[in-house]
Amino acid sequence: AQSVTQLDSHVSVSEGTPVLLRCNYSSSYSPSLFWYVQHPNKGLQLLLKYTSAATLVKGINGFEAEFKKSETSFHLTKPSAHMSDAAEYFCVVSLSGGSYIPTFGRGTSLIVHP
Amino acid sequence: KAGVTQTPRYLIKTRGQQVTLSCSPISGHRSVSWYQQTPGQGLQFLFEYFSETQRNKGNFPGRFSGRQFSNSRSEMNVSTLELGDSALYLCASSLVSGDNYEQYFGPGTRLTVT
Repeated sequence: AQSVTQLDSHVSVSEGTPVLLRCNYSSSYSPSLFWYVQHPNKGLQLLLKYTSAATLVKGINGFEAEFKKSETSFHLTKPSAHMSDAAEYFCVVSLSGGSYIPTFGRGTSLIVHP
Repeated sequence: KAGVTQTPRYLIKTRGQQVTLSCSPISGHRSVSWYQQTPGQGLQFLFEYFSETQRNKGNFPGRFSGRQFSNSRSEMNVSTLELGDSALYLCASSLVSGDNYEQYFGPGTRLTVT
């Protein structure tokens, strides 16, 4: 069984300040973890993924995430928020090594103030 | 390279009817996955097709079905529509099946059941 919890439904930051979106997961086996972004009226876009390689994963648009097995966390960070980062972010867990049956978090809405 | 296309983009149906949604993957992609997104349940995985065979399936009733054609295009069918089937249905394609391969999402089909 697997599950994922995004700890904040909304996160509000000012432009230029750091972003932290929190994700905790539960998985019976070694997981693969992903972060996706969804802009209004658009499909999802992959930001980054962890599939049992380096624990610090760098993604697109300056985002990165660190896999911490001891804390069962996969938090998404960005040093400096940009107005264009305002969107819905989804943390996803799947069993690694084959079948991709993803479980999505409920999403975190990132609001960026000028 | 053209992205994932979904048709139609918007659809209104009546309870009890059936509906067919279409997804054309990126050229060369052989895996197509379907997702349902609702405000109440969030994003949920429906099923994945690879080389015309259903490879993985989420936890949805048998009213939800799909198929994939030899050109990798996929259709999803929902029979005996219920009000709760109102949702954004997203399609995603990837080169092959498995979590090591990035999924590219289409813009979705917005289904409203009245």
